Amino acid sequence: EVRLLESGGALVQSGQSLRLSCAASGFTFAAYGMTWVRQPPGQGLQWVAGISGSGYSSYYDDSLRGRFTISRDNSNNVLFLQLTSLTAEDTAVYFCAKDSQNPGYIYDSWGQGTLVTVSS
Amino acid sequence: SYELTQDPAMSVALGQTVRITCQGDSLRGYYANWYQQKPGQAPVLVMSVGNRRPSGIPDRFSGSESGDTASLTITGAQAEDEAAYYCNSRDNSGNHRVVFGGGTRLTVL
Repeated sequence: EVRLLESGGALVQSGQSLRLSCAASGFTFAAYGMTWVRQPPGQGLQWVAGISGSGYSSYYDDSLRGRFTISRDNSNNVLFLQLTSLTAEDTAVYFCAKDSQNPGYIYDSWGQGTLVTVSS
Repeated sequence: SYELTQDPAMSVALGQTVRITCQGDSLRGYYANWYQQKPGQAPVLVMSVGNRRPSGIPDRFSGSESGDTASLTITGAQAEDEAAYYCNSRDNSGNHRVVFGGGTRLTVL
């Protein structure tokens, strides 16, 4: 059974940084692309970033490129998202999701999410 | 704003059929996927590229594509289908960027 467990969400002040983690199990982690999707309170889903199985290729939403960095540790089956220069607009639940391809855009398993709250 | 356009809200009577649509230029080059999200829960993939239903998804869910529009049809809607539905696709800029629709909140009456 695929399991994804996010952690690292917190209440932070505007301008601060945060690193989110997603611990994966139940599948061959390095064989699949992974992604981060966020959801502001009461709003829809927003794709944030994706990374290939090897970790050599990464992709970002244009509006977030330069502030957010996606990475992975295939030795320990963990996905990361480094968030910097946070603003109130970054307040959201952040989900990690497994891609059914490497990479693609079919997200066949999701974690329960971790909440990031940025106070101004 | 969202590059994939969905109706914000729809309703369907119990047991009836509803079609949820997703429209955008990227759908001329890439298939859409559909996700169901209930309040307080993570999204769940209910229909994927090529109108394939993941294991465990009831066969009352079906998908179709035409031009720049993708559709998710629920035939014989059940109370448990009340949820938000999101489409996603790859954008057609060639840089592996992914886009989601704004979501459709479905009410089963």
